[in-house]
Amino acid sequence: GAGVSQSPSNKVTEKGKDVELRCDPISGHTALYWYRQSLGQGLEFLIYFQGNSAPDKSGLPSDRFSAERTGGSVSTLTIQRTQQEDSAVYLCASSPRGRGAYEQYFGPGTRLTVT
Amino acid sequence: QKEVEQDPGPLSVPEGAIVSLNCTYSNSAFQYFMWYRQYSRKGPELLMYTYSSGNKEDGRFTAQVDKSSKYISLFIRDSQPSDSATYLCAMRAQGGSEKLVFGKGTKLTVNP
Repeated sequence: GAGVSQSPSNKVTEKGKDVELRCDPISGHTALYWYRQSLGQGLEFLIYFQGNSAPDKSGLPSDRFSAERTGGSVSTLTIQRTQQEDSAVYLCASSPRGRGAYEQYFGPGTRLTVT
Repeated sequence: QKEVEQDPGPLSVPEGAIVSLNCTYSNSAFQYFMWYRQYSRKGPELLMYTYSSGNKEDGRFTAQVDKSSKYISLFIRDSQPSDSATYLCAMRAQGGSEKLVFGKGTKLTVNP
């Protein structure tokens, strides 16, 4: 079946511009996660959505970052006024279980470059 | 001290070698331990999952968790060139936040 898809695969933007990154989770998966992977760094948790519950935003690095999930499916991560330190691969994952999930399926990521 | 420490390598071994990959952690609340494999320019894929302490074997892969030492390992037997990838350990606590805490990953190259 179809896995997690993300678009665009690559994005180059100028400093100060806003960007939107999209994630399509696996159909039927209730949980959706965003992570960031910077050069030389591990994956850094950003935000987690579970059903209709309030999202866990504890990993968002600043108020320039926001995310939404519409209809319990597609999610968009928005970065406003991008900075060079925002350059990274942004990974989305989904999970078939709610709380207690231990198996997350990752998409291929969006490589963001801020010039 | 970071919650999860992982030697980034790189690690280079000949084909057929036994590979040992390790992570240490500081948060005693971690109960779920996972190993992900990530090929270049791809998303991570789950290899092994272990709950609490103990060993788990799946084909050429064995995962071990020693909670008393806060130390986890992944062993790869009869390594193959196709095993060349970055291996990431990940952990999470029971209950509470669903987020995974990852190590930085170890880059492995298996030479034919």
